[in-house]
Amino acid sequence: NAGVMQNPRHLVRRRGQEARLRCSPMKGHSHVYWYRQLPEEGLKFMVYLQKENIIDESGMPKERFSAEFPKEGPSILRIQQVVRGDSAAYFCASSPIGTGASGANVLTFGAGSRLTVL
Amino acid sequence: QKEVEQDPGPLSVPEGAIVSLNCTYSNSAFQYFMWYRQYSRKGPELLMYTYSSGNKEDGRFTAQVDKSSKYISLFIRDSQPSDSATYLCAMSSDTSGSRLTFGEGTQLTVNP
Repeated sequence: NAGVMQNPRHLVRRRGQEARLRCSPMKGHSHVYWYRQLPEEGLKFMVYLQKENIIDESGMPKERFSAEFPKEGPSILRIQQVVRGDSAAYFCASSPIGTGASGANVLTFGAGSRLTVL
Repeated sequence: QKEVEQDPGPLSVPEGAIVSLNCTYSNSAFQYFMWYRQYSRKGPELLMYTYSSGNKEDGRFTAQVDKSSKYISLFIRDSQPSDSATYLCAMSSDTSGSRLTFGEGTQLTVNP
């Protein structure tokens, strides 16, 4: 089991460019989550998706950020017109179908994509 | 005020020491409590998971939750240099655990 795969691991963009981060969940997992880790800060929730559906995007900035999880292929976090403040590590996590009160719905994290905006 | 407070450290201990890591929180709706370990340049990996108040033990690790005090702890016995990492507490109020609120993380170094 390859785990949660994220790519690219490192991405450098100039201000105003677009960044696309990809995440392939663990085999058998249908839920994907994106978190952002800024320097000297903890992980912050951004968005929760299932195939073709955004379930919770309450942590996403209102502008320039979007996420999708298509029927086929990886989940993509897209940042348009990047600014220096977008420099961070972006982590994707996945989980199996929620087990509800019967047990934990544990998140498995990928190794992260580190975005640097020059 | 942050929803979850965690002393960032750094914390440095000798090999074999007992390590105590703590978080406090303000949201009384939190019911699910987790500890993640994150090595440098890696993703967080789940160490311990507890529901509501109580203790949970797994090898050298013990997690404690005191909901009345809104306080959670992770104890590491017989600490090893390989335990050197950043430890993140996380919590959630819903059963799916989809939206985790993390502490800032405590950087731990265990010296041989």
